[in-house]
Amino acid sequence: SQQGEEDPQALSIQEGENATMNCSYKTSINNLQWYRQNSGRGLVHLILIRSNEREKHSGRLRVTLDTSKKSSSLLITASRAADTASYFCATDAPGGTSYGKLTFGQGTILTVHP
Amino acid sequence: DAGITQSPRHKVTETGTPVTLRCHQTENHRYMYWYRQDPGHGLRLIHYSYGVKDTDKGEVSDGYSVSRSKTEDFLLTLESATSSQTSVYFCAISESRLSRDTQYFGPGTRLTVL
Repeated sequence: SQQGEEDPQALSIQEGENATMNCSYKTSINNLQWYRQNSGRGLVHLILIRSNEREKHSGRLRVTLDTSKKSSSLLITASRAADTASYFCATDAPGGTSYGKLTFGQGTILTVHP
Repeated sequence: DAGITQSPRHKVTETGTPVTLRCHQTENHRYMYWYRQDPGHGLRLIHYSYGVKDTDKGEVSDGYSVSRSKTEDFLLTLESATSSQTSVYFCAISESRLSRDTQYFGPGTRLTVL
């Protein structure tokens, strides 16, 4: 079963609005990462948050982590049409950080309309 | 795509034929990974490598083998392709074994098994 699961599966908004995506996971983690995938392309790393951090910012991105609820959220502020993509959370493998193995969720498809 | 190429980018083959996908990196990163991406499953780890000739199984390794004879090349082989192996395959690289490090993804190979 998936370690990370994103919600919602699809999100459609207008340019300028904020987009919030959520990720839940099942077991304890050391780190949680968010990746973006444009259609037909590979994944691109966006941001990483460690288990001892609660919030992190990078440009228009804000990530929160609640280890007690085993959940994370990704907020994209003032969205642009270019933000249209699929967004994935990824957690390090349950049981340890051996060899950098990550487990990915199923992703949220974000569509930003001009 | 961070100095990572995958070949071929597209392949159509028939059930029972052997198929080899190649991942080539110019970053001299030690760790390399093969994932498959399917609708409803996100990305799933097939095999990974932590050095030349050092490989191990991931979550969905049945029906796949890998080899790494040089730092820059990581080959994924389907010994006898089946229709269930129709998927998009991504290679990723990482600088270290720590799960807090970013993984960089190649552009993907779309494989169709008829």
